[in-house]
Order: sequence, then C-alpha cells, then structure tokens
Amino acid sequence: QQQVRQSPQSLTVWEGETAILNCSYENSAFDYFPWYQQFPGEGPALLISILSVSDKKEDGRFTIFFNKREKKLSLHIADSQPGDSATYFCAGSNYNVLYFGSGTKLTVEP
Amino acid sequence: AQTIHQWPVAEIKAVGSPLSLGCTIKGKSSPNLYWYWQATGGTLQQLFYSITVGQVESVVQLNLSASRPKDDQFILSTEKLLLSHSGFYLCAFRGGSYEQYFGPGTRLTVL
Repeated sequence: QQQVRQSPQSLTVWEGETAILNCSYENSAFDYFPWYQQFPGEGPALLISILSVSDKKEDGRFTIFFNKREKKLSLHIADSQPGDSATYFCAGSNYNVLYFGSGTKLTVEP
Repeated sequence: AQTIHQWPVAEIKAVGSPLSLGCTIKGKSSPNLYWYWQATGGTLQQLFYSITVGQVESVVQLNLSASRPKDDQFILSTEKLLLSHSGFYLCAFRGGSYEQYFGPGTRLTVL
C-alpha cells in the first residue's frame, strides 16, 4: 500500500504562473511533511516542510497548505521561474521513517 | 556547518560481486543517519536508519546490510549484487527535530 501519493505526475506552467503540486497520505500517525526538490543527478534538497499542527507554511515563493481532516496537502510555487524546473517529492514521516511519494516533474516554460 | 560526503561517486559492478558504499557526516555530533535507494526516474525508498554507533534498523529488505562503525560514518554493503540493486543510493542525516538532509549520492550500475 502506497503511503504517500502525488499528483500530477508532470506539470508544465509558464514563467510567472503559480504551480500547484498535490499530495495525499494514508497514515494518520504522520506528523511531519517535507517537500524536496531534486535536479537530475543530484540528491534531493529540502525545500519546505510543515508539521501536522499547522495548516499553512510559507517560505518566500513556496507555500504548503495542509488539511489534516482530508489527509491532503499541496505545494504552491508562486511566480514560477525556469530554474524551478525539477522533480518535487512530497513525504510523510513518523519520526525515523520517511515515506516518499512518486514525485511531480515540473517544467516552467519561459 | 554540517557537511555530508558519499563515496564513491559512481560504481559499475558485475552481478554477484560485493559492494560497499560509504557516507561521512562532519559538523554534527551523534547524528541520526539514513540510507535511501532511488531507481532511475523513481521515488526514494528508505532502507535503513541508525540512531547511534553499532545500532542499525532495517526499514525494507533488499538483500543489503548496513553498519555504523563510527559516530560520523554509515556503510551500506552486500556480498552479492543483483541487477535490481542498480540505482542511486543516498545517505541522509537528521539536522534538527525532524529535517533530513541528503548527500550527493552514489550512482550504482550492476551489469
């Protein structure tokens, strides 16, 4: 059973638009949800994260919206730039084990 | 500042041969350490985690083993490689209460 699901699998937006990446999870015990950005051939980089006690987290152009009741969260990337083109992974954690979704490949067209 | 180093950068190995991959963390005392595997174009799968020297917990069985011989070192190994072991191996450490930070990875190709 897949613990974390992501959609869409791929997403293309124009420069300056807001990209919206979706994530859902199964395990109610998850209390920490990070988003990672990965470029080809590199290790994933922690982008932004949220604890289950919060419903929103902002960091510059990146915002997480979290709905605990529906077990859903989303990452909004405002004013998307071509340099944001990468694969984004959502994950859920019960402390020492991190479960990743299948990723969303984002392409930002200039 | 904390730094994480993985070695080797890449390996090409034959099926049935042994493997040893390493990870070293600098700048953080007694870190929680993690090993992940990522198939080409795929998601990340956590393999092991270690809270302290000499103790390793397995998350998923992939005919691999891990050891923590030193506070700042984490080793992933197997005596007999399979084709399915090909992929990208990533080491990570816990930076704060929850955050995990990844190393640059080792690309493994099994032929």
